[in-house]
Amino acid sequence: QVQLVQSGAEVRKPGASVKVSCKASGYTFTGHYIHWVRQAPGQGLEWMGWINPNSGDTSSAEKFQGRVTMTTDTSISSAYIELSSLTFDDTAIYYCARDFLGSTWLFDPWGQGTLVTVSS
Amino acid sequence: EIVLTQSPATLSLSPGERATLSCRASHSVSSSLAWYQHKPGQAPRLLIFDASNRATGSPARFSGSGSGTDFTLTISSLEPEDFAVYYCQQRTNWPFTFGPGTKVDIK
Repeated sequence: QVQLVQSGAEVRKPGASVKVSCKASGYTFTGHYIHWVRQAPGQGLEWMGWINPNSGDTSSAEKFQGRVTMTTDTSISSAYIELSSLTFDDTAIYYCARDFLGSTWLFDPWGQGTLVTVSS
Repeated sequence: EIVLTQSPATLSLSPGERATLSCRASHSVSSSLAWYQHKPGQAPRLLIFDASNRATGSPARFSGSGSGTDFTLTISSLEPEDFAVYYCQQRTNWPFTFGPGTKVDIK
């Protein structure tokens, strides 16, 4: 079955960077975009961006541009998101999600989430 | 950016009751509206896409309707596993946005 497994929880200081991984299995990795969505404590879901594993093309929400880097390693069916210049507001659960049918901007399934805590 | 508003914020119901959740868009999204279910400690799950199409594995008691700016998710008879937060999401305009969610909790 299609599965996305993310890396474990991270703690960073303000100003630092964090990189979260997402390993896919059960489907052709290059056939579906990967999206990144986060949820801050007590808040709703916020789409961050997508990457096309086939081409490496990316698109990110305006608020993250210049601070987010999305990459993939197709040899191991893994996607990564790196967020730099962290602030306390970046404390959140970060989810990767496969695009439902390729590039439809629907998200299913999702990884289990990675908690990133920014703390001094 | 298209802003999605969901109502009510919380819906307190008993198992077996019907749940009606609303999602309103600031601009027309045609029928490009999806619904997700999110339980604490779990990954969100796609329930409905394109306003009324059930995703694979989504039970028949979940149905969606609407177009343009007004959408509804209906759960015909609540099962214990349905108590969760439900988010709507539009994919018409970049950036893809979610509503703030409706929490369905046990009365």
